[in-house]
Amino acid sequence: GQSLEQPSEVTAVEGAIVQINCTYQTSGFYGLSWYQQHDGGAPTFLSYNALDGLEETGRFSSFLSRSDSYGYLLLQELQMKDSASYFCAGGGYNKLIFGAGTRLAVHP
Amino acid sequence: SAVISQKPSRDICQRGTSLTIQCQVDSQVTMMFWYRQQPGQSLTLIATANQGSEATYESGFVIDKFPISRPNLTFSTLTVSNMSPEDSSIYLCSVEGDRGDYEQYFGPGTRLTVT
Repeated sequence: GQSLEQPSEVTAVEGAIVQINCTYQTSGFYGLSWYQQHDGGAPTFLSYNALDGLEETGRFSSFLSRSDSYGYLLLQELQMKDSASYFCAGGGYNKLIFGAGTRLAVHP
Repeated sequence: SAVISQKPSRDICQRGTSLTIQCQVDSQVTMMFWYRQQPGQSLTLIATANQGSEATYESGFVIDKFPISRPNLTFSTLTVSNMSPEDSSIYLCSVEGDRGDYEQYFGPGTRLTVT
């Protein structure tokens, strides 16, 4: 089957760095995406790794190792507004499968 | 990124009735997706809608329960038929971005409560 696993909750303080890991078990995945969702809001696209390595977008970076079926989202210089749920997602043609989500709580 | 609107934003319905959710995109897109999300849970793909062809449903979702229309490249509807309390959920539509289905943009969602 196809599944993605990520921690259910992560807590950090403002200004810190946090890493949210995602491991997946599937065949046919050709990349990994990350989405952010605030309470009551819609998911918003953050990043996509098609190739192994690190992709950086401002304070957010995402990493993928296809040989290890593993990726992570790195959030730097955490701000209170980063408190949200973060989903990793992967899939095959026209089908995106989401992980269960990691709820990040940022404290002062 | 595309701008997506959904109607209604929320509704409370009685069991046994049906609700049609509309999804409008501000640009032409090939694929549209419909998801279901229980509060605090992950997103589950219901079906993929391609203009001019029948929607493709995921395991556990059937056309009789969730009929989908895709009359043009900017619009789609999802109907939740013969509703039961188990259908209470948030329903989201999405479209692909420039990087294909890994980059999706979501509508604001429709929060459905079935009593």
